[in-house]
Amino acid sequence: SQQGEEDPQALSIQEGENATMNCSYKTSINNLQWYRQNSGRGLVHLILIRSNEREKHSGRLRVTLDTSKKSSSLLITASRAADTASYFCATDHSGYSTLTFGKGTMLLVSP
Amino acid sequence: NAGVTQTPKFRVLKTGQSMTLLCAQDMNHEYMYWYRQDPGMGLRLIHYSVGEGTTAKGEVPDGYNVSRLKKQNFLLGLESAAPSQTSVYFCASSKVASGSISYNEQFFGPGTRLTVL
Repeated sequence: SQQGEEDPQALSIQEGENATMNCSYKTSINNLQWYRQNSGRGLVHLILIRSNEREKHSGRLRVTLDTSKKSSSLLITASRAADTASYFCATDHSGYSTLTFGKGTMLLVSP
Repeated sequence: NAGVTQTPKFRVLKTGQSMTLLCAQDMNHEYMYWYRQDPGMGLRLIHYSVGEGTTAKGEVPDGYNVSRLKKQNFLLGLESAAPSQTSVYFCASSKVASGSISYNEQFFGPGTRLTVL
């Protein structure tokens, strides 16, 4: 399986703190994407980073990619209670018409 | 635009019953996907379609069938439901496929919660 794995499985922080989630994968990728899932809802795309990029920003989100280590991290700065959700990484591998999703990190941001 | 819609939102079946889940998208996307999500298992791909009239198996296709007769619709069928198929089912669509140099973000529907007794 090429399934990515997120770390940690669960993360609990206070509002205003930063949250860091990691994703590892096994085979080379075209791009890596991060999605958010609020409880009981569908996934929502957050950000995509291509294999030739090392860092990308979008608002309070910062994604890094290290293809030599086959890993990525998602940093959410100045977390808010509304950031409470599950976060999934998804990898795009050559030769496949589909994305491969990890099992997710559950983030709880307490007021 | 409604994006990706799924019907029904909830359903309870008895073992052996059949049902069809409907996914519709109004974004003119070529690619559509059916996933199931179970606690601790993440998202697992059941079937997908790269265009009208074509379908392909994903990671966990057994017990399911699909059809893509119209570009905007992707149907997931359970011919004889089993308790192991109790899950939350998500449909998604994307403009382009994996491996394309273009942006291949997937758009998800709100999900169908299915319980098989």
